[in-house]
Amino acid sequence: DQQVKQNSPSLSVQEGRISILNCDYTNSMFDYFLWYKKYPAEGPTFLISISSIKDKNEDGRFTVFLNKSAKHLSLHIVPSQPGDSAVYFCAAFSREGAQKLVFGQGTRLTINP
Amino acid sequence: DAGVIQSPRHEVTEMGQEVTLRCKPISGHNSLFWYRQTMMRGLELLIYFNNNVPIDDSGMPEDRFSAKMPNASFSTLKIQPSEPRDSAVYFCASSLQGGAEPQHFGDGTRLSIL
Repeated sequence: DQQVKQNSPSLSVQEGRISILNCDYTNSMFDYFLWYKKYPAEGPTFLISISSIKDKNEDGRFTVFLNKSAKHLSLHIVPSQPGDSAVYFCAAFSREGAQKLVFGQGTRLTINP
Repeated sequence: DAGVIQSPRHEVTEMGQEVTLRCKPISGHNSLFWYRQTMMRGLELLIYFNNNVPIDDSGMPEDRFSAKMPNASFSTLKIQPSEPRDSAVYFCASSLQGGAEPQHFGDGTRLSIL
């Protein structure tokens, strides 16, 4: 029962273009969402988050959009840089119930020079 | 600033042996989490502690797995006896207060059970 799904295992984008990573969730009780970035042989590092009371949060080149009615969020990276090549994990949290992060399977982003 | 420190970074052992993974959280963080990452299941939470007390261990796969946090600066995850299907990367993470607060991850322990 995968409550958080990242349906694209991999994505390849040209340097300078926009990267869009997608994430869907099934549990309507989730009210906080986070994106993590992971390089090989390292642990995930926090990138950006969004509360369910917002539909957009921006931090430099990174913007996260939330569509609650569709239970969908996306991470936009503009412009994409070679150092953005990594695995990106979407995670969701509910302040009700279990109160623990649920992660998606991850999307491997490759930025081509 | 020291991040979350895990040891060992790699562990290779034969099935049936006891395995102990160690974690030192960031100083001052009150919540500690153990995760397992596999190709099939992705990143899954095994157990988490608040103020050294286990809060939710529903992710621990079976009785062969146990975790302890004897003090605020140290935690262990033990597998006894180990099996080949336990092969995975195990991550420890900590956060200031738990909840939705972003977690800081260690670099993981890559465990291979032969």
